[in-house]
Amino acid sequence: KAGVTQTPRYLIKTRGQQVTLSCSPISGHRSVSWYQQTPGQGLQFLFEYFSETQRNKGNFPGRFSGRQFSNSRSEMNVSTLELGDSALYLCASGPLAGLNNEQFFGPGTRLTVL
Amino acid sequence: AQTVTQSQPEMSVQEAETVTLSCTYDTSESNYYLFWYKQPPSRQMILVIRQEAYKQQNATENRFSVNFQKAAKSFSLKISDSQLGDTAMYFCAFYSNTGNQFYFGTGTSLTVIP
Repeated sequence: KAGVTQTPRYLIKTRGQQVTLSCSPISGHRSVSWYQQTPGQGLQFLFEYFSETQRNKGNFPGRFSGRQFSNSRSEMNVSTLELGDSALYLCASGPLAGLNNEQFFGPGTRLTVL
Repeated sequence: AQTVTQSQPEMSVQEAETVTLSCTYDTSESNYYLFWYKQPPSRQMILVIRQEAYKQQNATENRFSVNFQKAAKSFSLKISDSQLGDTAMYFCAFYSNTGNQFYFGTGTSLTVIP
């Protein structure tokens, strides 16, 4: 089975712009979660989707949003980018709902905000 | 809010030796889940081991085992017969169904020395 794929792998944007990141889960997985990884804040949970519904959300401002499609693919959007949004954004998928189960991580999208 | 603390930013171990990574957490929940995830250099994060808090028996996966002390809120990872491929960043993580949040520690960078 192919693993979790994330596109693009690298992205450079400027402050004020918006960005959309994409995540394709492992075939058959219906749960997708997103994380932000930075040197200063470490790994932080953004949100989890299951069957097109957001189940959990971390403590991030409303500029961070996401959605999941009927084929389980997920997108994450960040509007009005700030320098502090520069990070590695990780997506993970799982066969079951709930973050208590094993999550399978993708390689991440490296976002740089200038 | 739950917190997860990894007090050892960096550790090293000789190949074939045993090493223990520490993790403590703070929660008022009684039912939760604890994880150790491994992030090798430039590779995807993978689950090493998972522990359900209501199970007293310590989880084991081949060379990896945990020492789960619920009263002390401690969840250490022991790696036996260390191999070069164990070189990675190790993250301790916490999840509870009540809070619906997923928390990572700051990570321990482990280097296995040949």
